[in-house]
Amino acid sequence: NAGVTQTPKFQVLKTGQSMTLQCAQDMNHNSMYWYRQDPGMGLRLIYYSASEGTTDKGEVPNGYNVSRLNKREFSLRLESAAPSQTSVYFCASRDLLGNTQYFGPGTRLTVL
Amino acid sequence: GENVEQHPSTLSVQEGDSAVIKCTYSDSASNYFPWYKQELGKRPQLIIDIRSNVGEKKDQRIAVTLNKTAKHFSLHITETQPEDSAVYFCAAAKRNTGNQFYFGTGTSLTVIP
Repeated sequence: NAGVTQTPKFQVLKTGQSMTLQCAQDMNHNSMYWYRQDPGMGLRLIYYSASEGTTDKGEVPNGYNVSRLNKREFSLRLESAAPSQTSVYFCASRDLLGNTQYFGPGTRLTVL
Repeated sequence: GENVEQHPSTLSVQEGDSAVIKCTYSDSASNYFPWYKQELGKRPQLIIDIRSNVGEKKDQRIAVTLNKTAKHFSLHITETQPEDSAVYFCAAAKRNTGNQFYFGTGTSLTVIP
């Protein structure tokens, strides 16, 4: 039982490049979330998927797209990376019975 | 939508003293209030949570209190230890839904040996 996994752990991009951050959970959770965390700031929600087949914007969705591929996987895509997207990205999933939100280990992204 | 405010943003205490972090929320429909601890370079991890039908919950040195009328909840850490040093986040959410969590901006706690 790996919990929530994310790939890659680290990534450096040049401005304008694209990439997809992958997230998977093996806890059979219905809901999944993408956050970004900047130095000295809290967790800001980018997008979330309350259940398979649905996605909704969070607080800071501009510049990002998501895909809920199946119940296990929720990916985050940056189509044209900008330096302002330099951040640590966390994926999370939620157990609706216990209500706990479990976080992945994070992806540290730098855009030059 | 929901708005969660958290205070203080930084807190330093001597080892063995108590630490209290306070949060307020705005949406009376929120009924689940977790607290997360994030150590440097690590992921946030749940340390305690409380539901709106309970006023207080305790787990060893950690306790959370909730005042629904005033819409505020607090984290209490007693007998602090250096390993309690971390950033703590409060959050508000609706139970049994996939809806988003609303996080506070975090409190950086330093326990001085």
